[in-house]
Amino acid sequence: GENVEQHPSTLSVQEGDSAVIKCTYSDSASNYFPWYKQELGKGPQLIIDIRSNVGEKKDQRIAVTLNKTAKHFSLHITETQPEDSAVYFCAASSYSSASKIIFGSGTRLSIRP
Amino acid sequence: DTGVSQDPRHKITKRGQNVTFRCDPISEHNRLYWYRQTLGQGPEFLTYFQNEAQLEKSRLLSDRFSAERPKGSFSTLEIQRTEQGDSAMYLCASMGSAAKNDGYTFGSGTRLTVV
Repeated sequence: GENVEQHPSTLSVQEGDSAVIKCTYSDSASNYFPWYKQELGKGPQLIIDIRSNVGEKKDQRIAVTLNKTAKHFSLHITETQPEDSAVYFCAASSYSSASKIIFGSGTRLSIRP
Repeated sequence: DTGVSQDPRHKITKRGQNVTFRCDPISEHNRLYWYRQTLGQGPEFLTYFQNEAQLEKSRLLSDRFSAERPKGSFSTLEIQRTEQGDSAMYLCASMGSAAKNDGYTFGSGTRLTVV
């Protein structure tokens, strides 16, 4: 089955700087890669996703890149703000697995003022 | 429709007791998923439904766990004879069209503490 590895587990950046979180996946059939943000006491919230037919997607300060050959994908947050502090999860799924999403172990992002 | 609702938000129970959680998905979503999340970890898949049919169960779902979605709308997750290791956040998510392989919408979860 699919296995998703995520690093780093914790990340502290100065407000205004960029943050990068990296993930790898094992199942070459995976074709959908969402990123979730989870704040304390809440369920994960989808913030951006990318499908296997594109290499990069951007939404304001957030961008994701995908390298299918290497089975790597990354989340980039630019101009970080205090409200970006949260736990971020990468994930992968495929239509053939009934869209079951497999999550990474999470990155706790802290923004220093 | 305000999204995925889960009830209760918190549950404290004594070891050995049975507990039941409820999930109300987004009304037009035919797929419903249950996940478990322990502290410092990502959500782990437990089971999923397409309409009323339970199509897959994880090996994490022991015989003490049972899930239902009787009319293809809300779902319940029951844990019998709870153990301390069952303490976790139980998350429900729903998804619309499987053909699109889209992302989930999660509820806020039910935090279970077994004492």
